[in-house]
Amino acid sequence: GQNIDQPTEMTATEGAIVQINCTYQTSGFNGLFWYQQHAGEAPTFLSYNVLDGLEEKGRFSSFLSRSKGYSYLLLKELQMKDSASYLCAVRDREDNAGNMLTFGGGTRLMVKP
Amino acid sequence: NAGVTQTPKFQVLKTGQSMTLQCAQDMNHEYMSWYRQDPGMGLRLIHYSVGAGITDQGEVPNGYNVSRSTTEDFPLRLLSAAPSQTSVYFCASGTGNQPQHFGDGTRLSIL
Repeated sequence: GQNIDQPTEMTATEGAIVQINCTYQTSGFNGLFWYQQHAGEAPTFLSYNVLDGLEEKGRFSSFLSRSKGYSYLLLKELQMKDSASYLCAVRDREDNAGNMLTFGGGTRLMVKP
Repeated sequence: NAGVTQTPKFQVLKTGQSMTLQCAQDMNHEYMSWYRQDPGMGLRLIHYSVGAGITDQGEVPNGYNVSRSTTEDFPLRLLSAAPSQTSVYFCASGTGNQPQHFGDGTRLSIL
């Protein structure tokens, strides 16, 4: 079966750096996505990794190790507006199967002044 | 370009009632999908479609029907609503390897 694990909650201080981990065990692998979701809103795309290594996009970076089934999302220079849930999702079908994703439970990040 | 549009935004039903959640996208995406989101459980795939006339089941399809008569529309039907179907429902669309775009969600309560 599919299993994607991430911490339920994290707290960090404004201006600091926080790392949100995600581990996965899926029947196949064709890419890992990170989404941000503010309370009461739709998920919005943050980053995508399909090869091992680090992808950097402004204050956000995402890392992938396929051999370890592990990814992390790194948020630098935290701002209050970064308080949200962060969803890790795996595309686990080699044939794309409609680009469908399996999601973890999400990590709720609270940024404090 | 409106993206993915879901209607209604909120709905309250009584047990046993049926209803259709609407989803439309104007990006000519071939892929569309429905997820439900419950506290602590993340997003779970209900049904998906890889193109007009083609649908398939996801992780939690029981109690739901879908159809895809056009590229733009992908309605989700609850046949006989049950309290266990109280949730937030998200529709998403995508193309190729690109990330999916999500609608704003429908908050559904079944009494």
